[in-house]
Amino acid sequence: EPEVTQTPSHQVTQMGQEVILRCVPISNHLYFYWYRQILGQKVEFLVSFYNNEISEKSEIFDDQFSVERPDGSNFTLKIRSTKLEDSAMYFCASRVTDFSNQPQHFGDGTRLSIL
Amino acid sequence: DQQVKQNSPSLSVQEGRISILNCDYTNSMFDYFLWYKKYPAEGPTFLISISSIKDKNEDGRFTVFLNKSAKHLSLHIVPSQPGDSAVYFCAASEETSGSRLTFGEGTQLTVNP
Repeated sequence: EPEVTQTPSHQVTQMGQEVILRCVPISNHLYFYWYRQILGQKVEFLVSFYNNEISEKSEIFDDQFSVERPDGSNFTLKIRSTKLEDSAMYFCASRVTDFSNQPQHFGDGTRLSIL
Repeated sequence: DQQVKQNSPSLSVQEGRISILNCDYTNSMFDYFLWYKKYPAEGPTFLISISSIKDKNEDGRFTVFLNKSAKHLSLHIVPSQPGDSAVYFCAASEETSGSRLTFGEGTQLTVNP
């Protein structure tokens, strides 16, 4: 069964450094998402992306965050200057359409640790 | 953000019995509800969903019930199996505000052999 693939599985970064989290969505999917889960908290929506532009973003997704689909397969989340509070699991998701009955499929996540 | 709430952090049941996981929501604009299952070190895996125009959806051992007037949904697993032990997340979306999912806190289900 096709999967959403995320790399790396664990990223350790010094505070203030830039970090890029990578995702390969399922190949025929057109809608892409990033979520995060801070330890002990809920999974939270960050951003959705379609047709090479952001469709929707949450209040968490400030100017420090950006997303890009640099080629036909990768979907990246960049945090420009990391803070301690960015430490979390980051999940990428994709779906084939944006019809409600089409679920989002998630990758296994990248654990981001900011020191 | 308390729009979707799962009040039970954990549930323990015996193998073969029914597991009932509950979820409440406050946003009446939600029109689609999903359940995801999550094993440690893996991402959420889609399990079953229900549209707000229905009150029940069944898929094998899994049934989701929706009570719109009470803003409550539940997931029934019958019969429960040890492999069902995982964290179960309830999630909701509203068509008009894009397709973001709003998640509950999750319930850790443990099925004992």
